[in-house]
Amino acid sequence: DAGVTQSPTHLIKTRGQQVTLRCSPKSGHDTVSWYQQALGQGPQFIFQYYEEEERQRGNFPDRFSGHQFPNYSSELNVNALLLGDSALYLCASSLLDSDTQYFGPGTRLTVL
Amino acid sequence: EDQVTQSPEALRLQEGESSSLNCSYTVSGLRGLFWYRQDPGKGPEFLFTLYSAGEEKEKERLKATLTKKESFLHITAPKPEDSATYLCAVQLSGGSYIPTFGRGTSLIVHP
Repeated sequence: DAGVTQSPTHLIKTRGQQVTLRCSPKSGHDTVSWYQQALGQGPQFIFQYYEEEERQRGNFPDRFSGHQFPNYSSELNVNALLLGDSALYLCASSLLDSDTQYFGPGTRLTVL
Repeated sequence: EDQVTQSPEALRLQEGESSSLNCSYTVSGLRGLFWYRQDPGKGPEFLFTLYSAGEEKEKERLKATLTKKESFLHITAPKPEDSATYLCAVQLSGGSYIPTFGRGTSLIVHP
């Protein structure tokens, strides 16, 4: 049973560029959440998707957007990248309203 | 403002030396408190969920407890493979899913 997978593993971009990160949830899960984890910090909630709709959103600007596909996989898009967007981006999957989330290995984004 | 504080920031133990990690929270209405383990460069791994004061959960050498204002993660006779960052997160009652994470405690267990 494959767990949560994310791609790519690492990514280097320059300021002002746009980036798309991808996530496939654990088999059987229908809900995907995205988190940003800066070095030395805990993960910060970006948003959650269920049934292809954004269900909850954390305190992130509109430059951060997402999408969920019919097969429950998800994308995180970040526009107009800033140096401060450099972080580990984590995807977590779960069943709707379940407290147990399973995290992927993350995508390390570096903005130069 | 709701806040989650973990202490200590870093902890070094000798193999077999038991200790506890602390997670204190100041939130208005706790629905659940979560503990995760995170290895360097990897995603967090779920350990426990606690819902009410007095609740305890155990897994191998780890035991998590919850009071009205804090949670402890007790590590009994740790081994080097227990070295990791341990994260605490709280979820508020009232319907909002959004969890708030602490900064974590970095644990190193020396052989």
